[in-house]
Amino acid sequence: DSGVTQTPKHLITATGQRVTLRCSPRSGDLSVYWYQQSLDQGLQFLIQYYNGEERAKGNILERFSAQQFPDLHSELNLSSLELGDSALYFCASSFRDRDSSEQYFGPGTRLTVT
Amino acid sequence: GQNIDQPTEMTATEGAIVQINCTYQTSGFNGLFWYQQHAGEAPTFLSYNVLDGLEEKGRFSSFLSRSKGYSYLLLKELQMKDSASYLCAVRGGTTDSWGKFQFGAGTQVVVTP
Repeated sequence: DSGVTQTPKHLITATGQRVTLRCSPRSGDLSVYWYQQSLDQGLQFLIQYYNGEERAKGNILERFSAQQFPDLHSELNLSSLELGDSALYFCASSFRDRDSSEQYFGPGTRLTVT
Repeated sequence: GQNIDQPTEMTATEGAIVQINCTYQTSGFNGLFWYQQHAGEAPTFLSYNVLDGLEEKGRFSSFLSRSKGYSYLLLKELQMKDSASYLCAVRGGTTDSWGKFQFGAGTQVVVTP
């Protein structure tokens, strides 16, 4: 158990819908990272927040958005969902910012878009 | 941008040693990470290199040569539970790429009795 929690574990929804994935980092960690993992694309970095501020942005679609709240939990919002958005979404955390030397992943949320 | 290459699959015998190579091309560099991922599970952090040389952690070691754009992960005294995918990831270090992670496709290691 990494100490990172994600809810829900599974989510099934229809195309065009909007969902919110939630992540709580390890106690004491200030950075939160979001990743998408699909069979054809592998693990893709989406975005990183540190202490409430966006710090690095990867291949995140405009239909996706995220934020980190004052209590350091983070949410990833996915809207206008398409079949291709079906994937595992992981959250990870670290204590430090963009020079962190380790990263701990949560168990993931499996999103299925039908 | 960044391009990361690692072999697709490697097979080794229990108790043996396996070396997983990772080569990368990047416009900037701010660290290389190795993760282990069992099927259907989250990646687990294994090691981090930002300076040239070898980092050792128990049965796992990781090596980095920044000038060659090359890293390897060495798994010693292989156990059946080491059968998993091993992911190499590079973190960007230019103004545009600072903090962004790029992952290789992963190397599936199969440990046989």
